[in-house]
Amino acid sequence: GAGVSQSPRYKVAKRGQDVALRCDPISGHVSLFWYQQALGQGPEFLTYFQNEAQLDKSGLPSDRFFAERPEGSVSTLKIQRTQQEDSAVYLCASSPQGSNTQYFGPGTRLTVL
Amino acid sequence: QQQVKQSPQSLIVQKGGIPIINCAYENTAFDYFPWYQQFPGKGPALLIAIRPDVSEKKEGRFTISFNKSAKQFSLHIMDSQPGDSATYFCAANAGGTSYGKLTFGQGTILTVHP
Repeated sequence: GAGVSQSPRYKVAKRGQDVALRCDPISGHVSLFWYQQALGQGPEFLTYFQNEAQLDKSGLPSDRFFAERPEGSVSTLKIQRTQQEDSAVYLCASSPQGSNTQYFGPGTRLTVL
Repeated sequence: QQQVKQSPQSLIVQKGGIPIINCAYENTAFDYFPWYQQFPGKGPALLIAIRPDVSEKKEGRFTISFNKSAKQFSLHIMDSQPGDSATYFCAANAGGTSYGKLTFGQGTILTVHP
């Protein structure tokens, strides 16, 4: 079966532009996570969904970051008015109900010029 | 605040060697400790994980040693191969109301020379 997919794989944005990053989790996975990975660092938690409910958004760095998962499947991470410090790899992970194992997608590398 | 500290930052071994990567944590609520392997351009992939009720877990060539009193855990890779060259991350999760949110270490870049 297919794993977690993310699109686009690479995104270059000019400072101030809005971007939208998509995550397709493994079919049937209830939990979905977004992480931000800066160059040379470990991933850092951004937000968590259980089905369509966003249960934790404590890691979102500012109100420019917004995530949604309206039908409990595909999720979109939106960043408004991008800044250079937003440049990073954005990772999505999904997990089946009752499991700690998180399956990661390949990530979207965002570069803000 | 860095809740999971990982060392070393980089490690070079010869083929067949046994690299050891160490992690220490502060939060005593952590109860699940996975190790992830990441190749360039790829997402992290789960290698092995342990819970604090056991002191050691082996899966193939990978072993986790866990010391609850010291709040430390480590990854050992037996008979390392050039294909093991990657970045390794330890992580921890508190379960309960944290919904599986993972806190990662800073990563260790492992190079295995042929």
